Amino acid sequence: GENVEQHPSTLSVQEGDSAVIKCTYSDSASNYFPWYKQELGKGPQLIIDIRSNVGEKKDQRIAVTLNKTAKHFSLHITETQPEDSAVYFCAASNKNRDDKIIFGKGTRLHILP
Amino acid sequence: EAQVTQNPRYLITVTGKKLTVTCSQNMNHEYMSWYRQDPGLGLRQIYYSMNVEVTDKGDVPEGYKVSRKEKRNFPLILESPSPNQTSLYFCASSSTRGTVFSGANVLTFGAGSRLTVL
Repeated sequence: GENVEQHPSTLSVQEGDSAVIKCTYSDSASNYFPWYKQELGKGPQLIIDIRSNVGEKKDQRIAVTLNKTAKHFSLHITETQPEDSAVYFCAASNKNRDDKIIFGKGTRLHILP
Repeated sequence: EAQVTQNPRYLITVTGKKLTVTCSQNMNHEYMSWYRQDPGLGLRQIYYSMNVEVTDKGDVPEGYKVSRKEKRNFPLILESPSPNQTSLYFCASSSTRGTVFSGANVLTFGAGSRLTVL
């Protein structure tokens, strides 16, 4: 089955700098890659997703890139702000096969003042 | 407001005392799922349901039961809780209608239920 590896587990960046979180997946048939943000005391919430028919997607300060050949996808946050501090989860699934979404273990992002 | 509601949000119980964590969604979603979140282990799926009366095991189903008698509700049952089930639990739901290129498959999570088993 699918396996998703996420790195790093913890990331500290200075406010205003960029943050990058990387994930790899094992099942080449996976075609949907969401990213969830979990703020303290809350459930994860989708912030951006990418499907296998595109290589990059951007939404204001966040962007996701996908390299299907290497089975890598990454989350990029630019001009980081204090409210970006949270735990981020990447995930992968094969919508054509079932709806099972496999999550990475998460990255705790600290934005330093 | 579209949401997934879990109850209780916090619970401390003792080993062996049966408990149920309720989950309800108001979005008419077909798919519902339970996850547990533990430090260093991320989100692990316990059980999921593709629709009413259809449930299946996730990655860590031991010690848990679920039922899906109505579309909106998906309770998680711990028949005889043990300390290793102390965790943060999340219920989530999504629509399965549409294709991978539409809005299907986006999980909406509840706020979480923190369970401590002594």
